[in-house]
Amino acid sequence: LAKTTQPISMDSYEGQEVNITCSHNNIATNDYITWYQQFPSQGPRFIIQGYKTKVTNEVASLFIPADRKSSTLSLPRVSLSDTAVYYCLVGDPGGFKTIFGAGTRLFVKA
Amino acid sequence: NAGVTQTPKFQVLKTGQSMTLQCAQDMNHNSMYWYRQDPGMGLRLIYYSASEGTTDKGEVPNGYNVSRLNKREFSLRLESAAPSQTSVYFCASSEAGIHNTIYFGEGSWLTVV
Repeated sequence: LAKTTQPISMDSYEGQEVNITCSHNNIATNDYITWYQQFPSQGPRFIIQGYKTKVTNEVASLFIPADRKSSTLSLPRVSLSDTAVYYCLVGDPGGFKTIFGAGTRLFVKA
Repeated sequence: NAGVTQTPKFQVLKTGQSMTLQCAQDMNHNSMYWYRQDPGMGLRLIYYSASEGTTDKGEVPNGYNVSRLNKREFSLRLESAAPSQTSVYFCASSEAGIHNTIYFGEGSWLTVV
């Protein structure tokens, strides 16, 4: 299983763009990169998933360099409601055992 | 659209007592999971069920048993609760495999005294 490394916490202000980088040096060929968001007292929620290059949806963008050893979740113009823990997961889409890790705690200030 | 429903939401147990956490999903998903999350920590996989009729151990299965009752329901049982099992438990489901967008329930807060 590919291990991921993320910053423990980050601070930002409303309206700023936030970039959270995840390192996964031993990512396997079949592995996808998936990001989840978790608010206090709730279960995690899927944000975005990608394999290579760039993926964008209505919530975020995911940038993956050619070597795929890292990925960056980009949240445009964050608001107070984006304060949450963000998890980077790496694994085979057909697999079932994926390590969540401690995630990155994002604090958005007014 | 209920998604993943867990019961109970809160429970206090005495050491040595047993209990079962119930989970049901209405999305016709094949795979279901039980995770635990300790304060300030990430989620750890306890057991999973890749499809109806199968169950497998995750990272931290000791002290737990599971039953995939049918395609909708996946229960987690603590046979003899211990204080170390005080945690928040999340049930989840996905179409097939963890990277096929896993959907989580709202969590069950369990305290063992």
